[in-house]
Amino acid sequence: GAGVSQSPRYKVAKRGQDVALRCDPISGHVSLFWYQQALGQGPEFLTYFQNEAQLDKSGLPSDRFFAERPEGSVSTLKIQRTQQEDSAVYLCASSLAGLGETQYFGPGTRLLVL
Amino acid sequence: KNQVEQSPQSLIILEGKNCTLQCNYTVSPFSNLRWYKQDTGRGPVSLTIMTFSENTKSNGRYTATLDADTKQSSLHITASQLSDSASYICVVSARSGNTPLVFGKGTRLSVIA
Repeated sequence: GAGVSQSPRYKVAKRGQDVALRCDPISGHVSLFWYQQALGQGPEFLTYFQNEAQLDKSGLPSDRFFAERPEGSVSTLKIQRTQQEDSAVYLCASSLAGLGETQYFGPGTRLLVL
Repeated sequence: KNQVEQSPQSLIILEGKNCTLQCNYTVSPFSNLRWYKQDTGRGPVSLTIMTFSENTKSNGRYTATLDADTKQSSLHITASQLSDSASYICVVSARSGNTPLVFGKGTRLSVIA
């Protein structure tokens, strides 16, 4: 596709529900990143894949957060037993190669946990 | 600790006026610095990227400067337009291979008629 796409664009969940957020990176992009952006803040790094390998997950806030990219293309960020503090925009970005390359961002998924 | 600080937090200017946004960083060792524009409800879009040896780079009405000695960068917007209303985020990359990007909190710019 022409750019990074994410789905759903909006998600409302009741506290305690599990959610799954999808990211389709630009075709051929090796690296994929997930960020969490709270209202009025800059994005905060969550995790990073190079192909199917998760090279860095140091930004994941708890073991309720899990990300995968099993075939090195589409990625899913899963949040189990959602809490109100998980409410944020979750941004996905991809780059042609590694960390030093320009990252192209998707529109984000806005998650609201009630 | 690697940090990126931006100022001002928000800014309102009249259409046609110029403005300058500031970014200070403590990321080390430094690799490059990017300015991103983020429209409301959209993902960030890269405007400029500057490496250690570059001290100015332009992209249309946007001009970024970098002083690697003082670890400061600025983004100057000339002849602002209503469509420039957005958040501008300064992002710094460390030279080490596995360090993720460090994002500032952004400056919220509103251009009014």
